[in-house]
Amino acid sequence: DVKVTQSSRYLVKRTGEKVFLECVQDMDHENMFWYRQDPGLGLRLIYFSYDVKMKEKGDIPEGYSVSREKKERFSLILESASTNQTSMYLCASSLYQGPNQPQHFGDGTRLSIL
Amino acid sequence: AQTVTQSQPEMSVQEAETVTLSCTYDTSESDYYLFWYKQPPSRQMILVIRQEAYKQQNATENRFSVNFQKAAKSFSLKISDSQLGDAAMYFCAYRRGGGNYGGSQGNLIFGKGTKLSVKP
Repeated sequence: DVKVTQSSRYLVKRTGEKVFLECVQDMDHENMFWYRQDPGLGLRLIYFSYDVKMKEKGDIPEGYSVSREKKERFSLILESASTNQTSMYLCASSLYQGPNQPQHFGDGTRLSIL
Repeated sequence: AQTVTQSQPEMSVQEAETVTLSCTYDTSESDYYLFWYKQPPSRQMILVIRQEAYKQQNATENRFSVNFQKAAKSFSLKISDSQLGDAAMYFCAYRRGGGNYGGSQGNLIFGKGTKLSVKP
């Protein structure tokens, strides 16, 4: 089974801090994704990557950046955390970008910015 | 741009009964894929079922089946013999098909979700 591991289940940070959310997958997947999940808004794509060192903006990239130095690891960075970035963050991966390829999700990180 | 709409924020079903979750989508594409994902309280999102738009036959996975109405752009999920473990958030998602799905074109577009409760 594919395993997508997010480094923290819960995280509390302060406004203005630089925050790193880490995600690792163990199935040599090409594609990795970061979503934000908010009640009543569903999942919104922040950034995705289809290869090492490659990244593309999703629907809501403002205030975020990403890093993919190794194939198995995809990091989401909040450059200067703000309270409106309090949310659930989900990482996902897929084998490749084919339309029938399912995305496999991590357990999520619930981030609170105080 | 494609959109996915789940009109039922919350649903409830009695254990062992059948429930149907609604999903509609808007697209001008003819080739695409549709998915239902389940997110239990433990939070890991898992794929429940998928449907290729070019297939007329509705997909089924054990107690889960879909009613795919391409002309109406409707993709509902039916859960038969509901179990307590079916309680979760359910998300409908769309992805375009065809050969050109590089970049953002191959990404999933999610609905806002339906919270399903199962009563014992």
